[in-house]
Amino acid sequence: QKEVEQNSGPLSVPEGAIASLNCTYSDRVSQSFFWYRQYSGKSPELIMSIYSNGDKEDGRFTAQLNKASQYVSLLIRDSQPSDSATYLCAVGGSYNTDKLIFGTGTRLQVFP
Amino acid sequence: DAMVIQNPRYQVTQFGKPVTLSCSQTLNHNVMYWYQQKSSQAPKLLFHYYDKDFNNEADTPDNFQSRRPNTSFCFLDIRSPGLGDAAMYLCATSRQLLAGSSTDTQYFGPGTRLTVL
Repeated sequence: QKEVEQNSGPLSVPEGAIASLNCTYSDRVSQSFFWYRQYSGKSPELIMSIYSNGDKEDGRFTAQLNKASQYVSLLIRDSQPSDSATYLCAVGGSYNTDKLIFGTGTRLQVFP
Repeated sequence: DAMVIQNPRYQVTQFGKPVTLSCSQTLNHNVMYWYQQKSSQAPKLLFHYYDKDFNNEADTPDNFQSRRPNTSFCFLDIRSPGLGDAAMYLCATSRQLLAGSSTDTQYFGPGTRLTVL
């Protein structure tokens, strides 16, 4: 069974620090990777997508992908209390599937 | 703004009383999804449509049905809600995958919180 694994946390970091969120996946042929942010009681909101090995930066967010290690991460620089949320990792399967497999999420707490 | 809309945002029903949740989108995406999400769990895919082509997940209970009368609208019917069906129901959309390409981004509506009394 295809799986996406995340540490449930909570991950607690002080304001201004770098938060590092990690995700591993089991399907070696996965091609697309997404990070969603979900505030309590709200729906998931796309933060980043990444398709190629390496780093992709967008503002304070950097996604890192290593397909050989089946590992994807999200770095949040200059963390703010408003970043406190659950971060869901989602992995697209092999080619020709529109389905995503979600991890259970990592809860991030940024304290002032 | 192009978006995914879900109604109602909160739904309270009684045990066994049928309920319908709705989703509409202005993104003109031809793939639509219904997920169930319980507290501290990953969203669980119930079914999805490519246009009107319906795709049920193997473990989706028969109690859950869906309709998609046109590109913009999709409905989730729960025929006889049980206490275990209390959850957040999420609608999402994406562009249809082109042959040989990777899975596209899914965009979520705000969700409907279902309470079963």
